[in-house]
Amino acid sequence: DSGVTQTPKHLITATGQRVTLRCSPRSGDLSVYWYQQSLDQGLQFLIQYYNGEERAKGNILERFSAQQFPDLHSELNLSSLELGDSALYFCASSSGQGDIVDTEAFFGQGTRLTVV
Amino acid sequence: DAKTTQPTSMDCAEGRAANLPCNHSTISGNEYVYWYRQIHSQGPQYIIHGLKNNETNEMASLIITEDRKSSTLILPHATLRDTAVYYCIVRARSGGSYIPTFGRGTSLIVHP
Repeated sequence: DSGVTQTPKHLITATGQRVTLRCSPRSGDLSVYWYQQSLDQGLQFLIQYYNGEERAKGNILERFSAQQFPDLHSELNLSSLELGDSALYFCASSSGQGDIVDTEAFFGQGTRLTVV
Repeated sequence: DAKTTQPTSMDCAEGRAANLPCNHSTISGNEYVYWYRQIHSQGPQYIIHGLKNNETNEMASLIITEDRKSSTLILPHATLRDTAVYYCIVRARSGGSYIPTFGRGTSLIVHP
């Protein structure tokens, strides 16, 4: 158990809909990272938050957004869903802010999103 | 930013040592090498990391060459449960942050 909790574990929704994925980081960790993993793309970095502020952005679509709340949990919002958004979405947390000599990141078990 | 190169797949007999290589020839002096593994669509699991000295923990050993251009992850006594995709990564810069960036990794199959 990594200490990172993601809910829900599975989500099935229709095209055009909007969903929210939730992540609770390990106790004491201030950074949250979101990744998308699809069969043909591997693990793709989406976005990082540190202590409530956006710190880095990767290949995140404009239809997607995220935030980190004062209690440090984070939510990833996916809207106008398309079939191609079906993937595993992982959240990771670390104690550091993303320095080059930062601490290791610990991953949750992911949310499997299926868009039908 | 440093990139890593790993073999696509490897196999190993149960009980034997599994040696997984990684090339990171463009790594800079202060970049750490991290190893993670992912077992069948579970979340990636942190294994070990190092800068220039060899490291060992309860899961594995990490051997880094003196020039730091390559490293080897060693699972001393592989078991069937070690079958997974193993990722060797360095952090890549994204905006003001250095992000764990994953390639395709090495698919390790441990057979009886």
